[in-house]
Amino acid sequence: TQLLEQSPQFLSIQEGENLTVYCNSSSVFSSLQWYRQEPGEGPVLLVTVVTGGEVKKLKRLTFQFGDARKDSSLHITAAQPGDTGLYLCAGMEYGNKLVFGAGTILRVKS
Amino acid sequence: EAQVTQNPRYLITVTGKKLTVTCSQNMNHEYMSWYRQDPGLGLRQIYYSMNVEVTDKGDVPEGYKVSRKEKRNFPLILESPSPNQTSLYFCASSPIEDRVGGQYFGPGTRLTVT
Repeated sequence: TQLLEQSPQFLSIQEGENLTVYCNSSSVFSSLQWYRQEPGEGPVLLVTVVTGGEVKKLKRLTFQFGDARKDSSLHITAAQPGDTGLYLCAGMEYGNKLVFGAGTILRVKS
Repeated sequence: EAQVTQNPRYLITVTGKKLTVTCSQNMNHEYMSWYRQDPGLGLRQIYYSMNVEVTDKGDVPEGYKVSRKEKRNFPLILESPSPNQTSLYFCASSPIEDRVGGQYFGPGTRLTVT
């Protein structure tokens, strides 16, 4: 099973700041997914990226899949308290197993 | 409303007493999967299913069984639960178009084995 290293583990920032979360692996994935999870709930899909070099934007969130399909990043512009939560990346192996990173806990203070 | 449902949401049981956690989805998704979430270990895949009667092991299948007799249901069976299976369990489903898509997660089942 491939491993996904997610960093940072914890991020505490002020409202209005920008941030980037990284997801790295030494192996190739067929696609990469990003989720957000709030306490007591299941993860909610934010985006799926499938093509090397692909960039997707979702309002203030920008997702990028690395050219070699081994890494991804999530950038949030002008973070808001409502962005607080656990952010998870997940890579789909070519055998259709899904591997998750350990997650990044984001706290945005007002 | 499109959703994945799990039952029960909370369960406290004793070592060795067989239990089943049900999972059902109403989106006609082909792919279904079970995960466990533990502090410091994140989400780990237990089993997944590409379609009816097709199941495969994830990363942590030991001590678990699954079945996929109908497209909408994917129960998780613990034949002889042990304390190390105390965890938060999630069921998820996704469509398969040209590839397996993003997962739609259920609300979770918190299991405690004493």
